Amino acid sequence: EVQLLESGGGLVQPGGSLRLSCAASGFTFSSFVMSWVRQAPGKGLECVSIIGTNAANTYYADSVKGRFTISRDNSKNTVYLQMNGLRADDTALYYCASRVTTVTTKYFQHWGQGTLVTVSS
Amino acid sequence: QTVVTQEPSFSVSPGGTLTLTCGLSSGSVSTSHFPSWYQQTPGQAPRTLIYNTNTRSSGVPDRFSGSILGNKAALTITGAQADDESDYYCVLYMGPGSVVFGGGTKVTVL
Repeated sequence: EVQLLESGGGLVQPGGSLRLSCAASGFTFSSFVMSWVRQAPGKGLECVSIIGTNAANTYYADSVKGRFTISRDNSKNTVYLQMNGLRADDTALYYCASRVTTVTTKYFQHWGQGTLVTVSS
Repeated sequence: QTVVTQEPSFSVSPGGTLTLTCGLSSGSVSTSHFPSWYQQTPGQAPRTLIYNTNTRSSGVPDRFSGSILGNKAALTITGAQADDESDYYCVLYMGPGSVVFGGGTKVTVL
């Protein structure tokens, strides 16, 4: 059974930092592109970052570029999101999602249950 | 700035059929955008319904179908049931690393 288990969320002051983790199991982690998708309270979904299978390629939404860093450790089947310079509008539930990305197929395949990040003083 | 458009809300009667659409603020949606659809019930993580325009994800009933209608991607739900009441999001692939969610459609079954 595929599982994506996020952790690391919590309450942080504006300007602070958090590191989210997503532990994967039940599939060949190193073969999948991974992503972080967030959802602010009462709002829609936003893809904030994507990382390629070997971490050579990373992508960020404009809203987090320069502040967030995605990484992965294929030996630990884990993807991370280092979040610096946090702002109130980063408050959201952060989902980890595996992404199928081939020449013929592209979509978010599996989703975690999310970890909540609250930025407030 | 690419904007993916969806109807904010939709109502359907039990047993009815509804078609949700997913468009672009500029241009037409095609299969090259690899349209995918996700269902999210309150308090739950998203669930993958449709990918590659019209391929159902594992375990998704055939009441859900995807297509291209005119210049938009579409999700059709036939024989609507009470537990179809959810938010539905489409996603379009805009290029390497560029994946854009629509604003979502809140579906009410009443």
